[in-house]
Amino acid sequence: DAGITQSPRYKITETGRQVTLMCHQTWSHSYMFWYRQDLGHGLRLIYYSAAADITDKGEVPDGYVVSRSKTENFPLTLESATRSQTSVYFCASNLPGQGYEQYFGPGTRLTVT
Amino acid sequence: GQQVMQIPQYQHVQEGEDFTTYCNSSTTLSNIQWYKQRPGGHPVFLIQLVKSGEVKKQKRLTFQFGEAKKNSSLHITATQTTDVGTYFCAGRAGGTSYGKLTFGQGTILTVHP
Repeated sequence: DAGITQSPRYKITETGRQVTLMCHQTWSHSYMFWYRQDLGHGLRLIYYSAAADITDKGEVPDGYVVSRSKTENFPLTLESATRSQTSVYFCASNLPGQGYEQYFGPGTRLTVT
Repeated sequence: GQQVMQIPQYQHVQEGEDFTTYCNSSTTLSNIQWYKQRPGGHPVFLIQLVKSGEVKKQKRLTFQFGEAKKNSSLHITATQTTDVGTYFCAGRAGGTSYGKLTFGQGTILTVHP
């Protein structure tokens, strides 16, 4: 059972480039989330999705785009990377409803130079 | 929007000492969850509290949910080096769509042997 995976695990890119972070889960969880983790800020929600083709903005969506054509995949795209987007990005998923814990992927460490 | 504040940001203890982290929400929560993130790892669910005044224990860990459902705490008795990591609280407001969580900033625990 692979669970939830993210790729790449590490990425270095230059300012202005487009980069896509991939997230794949094998549980068929309908809810999926993207967070960024920065010291002093904890985990901040970027985008979330309730099901395929249903996405919505979180706390810090500017500069990011998501899509969800299939339940199991939830890619996050940085349209034109900036240094302020250097961070660790976590994808998470959970079953529908408010009573369920979130399962996190291993994370992608992104550096924008 | 909803804010969840967590203190302290850092805590250094000697092995065997106790540790407590506190979480306060700007709004009433429907439930609160706690996660642990080992260094270099991803957040892992520990527990969920739902009822006003609820207290739950997991071995040396004690979790409390305030009477007003706006604050929570995690207490570790007699810390061990295996307790090292970042502890996050995460709250869900009533009626939150998609089961969104708002995370606190986290408390980074260091345990000196």
